[in-house]
Amino acid sequence: ETGVTQTPRHLVMGMTNKKSLKCEQHLGHNAMYWYKQSAKKPLELMFVYSLEERVENNSVPSRFSPECPNSSHLFLHLHTLQPEDSALYLCASSQWDEQFFGPGTRLTVL
Amino acid sequence: GQNIDQPTEMTATEGAIVQINCTYQTSGFNGLFWYQQHAGEAPTFLSYNVLDGLEEKGRFSSFLSRSKGYSYLLLKELQMKDSASYLCAVRDFLSGGYNKLIFGAGTRLAVHP
Repeated sequence: ETGVTQTPRHLVMGMTNKKSLKCEQHLGHNAMYWYKQSAKKPLELMFVYSLEERVENNSVPSRFSPECPNSSHLFLHLHTLQPEDSALYLCASSQWDEQFFGPGTRLTVL
Repeated sequence: GQNIDQPTEMTATEGAIVQINCTYQTSGFNGLFWYQQHAGEAPTFLSYNVLDGLEEKGRFSSFLSRSKGYSYLLLKELQMKDSASYLCAVRDFLSGGYNKLIFGAGTRLAVHP
């Protein structure tokens, strides 16, 4: 248990669906991150929020839309995804040094 | 460009020692991290090096040479539970309380009896 929770743990969706991933951190950290992890590829940073402001967007397609309503919660809204978007989506938080990761959401796009 | 290389897979015997290497070429450097990730679980922090030399933490040690762009993770007295992926990550920068990590693809370690 790292203090970072993610829901759902597994999600299967069609290309026309709209869904949201949720992340919550109970550590009092001021930065939160979304990563994509595909098989045999490095973790790819998608978005960073610091003090609820988006500070990094790594050329992520607009079909992924992040939202950070407060310092403890982070969402990733998904719409019209492609099969190649199937991956493990990890949320993380940090205060200064190490990042604490959630267990991830395993997403399958049909 | 940003490039972090580590072996894809390694195998080792229970009770033995294994060294996982990581080489990096990044535009910025503000420390190097090692994470452990068991299948289907979150990556968990193992070690952090920002200065050259060896950091020891129980059975795990990590070494850094900034001039060579090189680090290794040393695991001693291997146990079956050490079977996992080990991720090397370079902190590109630290700004405003958040830090940007660039990850390698990970080394999958299999420990057998």
